[in-house]
Amino acid sequence: GESVGLHLPTLSVQEGDNSIINCAYSNSASDYFIWYKQESGKGPQFIIDIRSNMDKRQGQRVTVLLNKTVKHLSLQIAATQPGDSAVYFCAENWMTLGGNEKLTFGTGTRLTIIP
Amino acid sequence: DVKVTQSSRYLVKRTGEKVFLECVQDMDHENMFWYRQDPGLGLRLIYFSYDVKMKEKGDIPEGYSVSREKKERFSLILESASTNQTSMYLCASSLVRTVETQYFGPGTRLLVL
Repeated sequence: GESVGLHLPTLSVQEGDNSIINCAYSNSASDYFIWYKQESGKGPQFIIDIRSNMDKRQGQRVTVLLNKTVKHLSLQIAATQPGDSAVYFCAENWMTLGGNEKLTFGTGTRLTIIP
Repeated sequence: DVKVTQSSRYLVKRTGEKVFLECVQDMDHENMFWYRQDPGLGLRLIYFSYDVKMKEKGDIPEGYSVSREKKERFSLILESASTNQTSMYLCASSLVRTVETQYFGPGTRLLVL
């Protein structure tokens, strides 16, 4: 899951298994969430998004689940492959008191796929 | 596909130097953003721009300025680089308001000596 601190949470998964990466978000007013994948030496890459009026959304091999009651987001990756090894982080979109929209990013989880 | 490019992948500068980081997007996006990414701190927003010649401060604007003279280009300027500005700098763009997905460039890793 997400963590504040110097070390990223890590998750090691056997190739072919499913993985679940968790994210606890902070603002109950957040209305849009995004999962990003960041490979070493590269910028973050969009994976999947979900709006707050949904609790599940599926993509190719990925599923995002949203539990607004406990402010929890998860990313499920099916049949993991070596190319899935990366840092994954979630982002939440919310409105500030000043009326500006803001995107806040989590610190990320490092996923390692074991061949 | 959206393409966001950054002028340099790696930069080494000395304390006190003026540093320019350039970002270009080719999808006619209105919004552009500059973040820095540091271990354990995630991405932090420095500045953003919703239109040409418009700029707004993000969470950590101190020590930085920006310029957006053309829609496709957003520059980050370190007026007098300091060692605590050593970081990975990421540019992003999005089509409309922040609520839409932001697309990122590859990043510039800056080392200030």
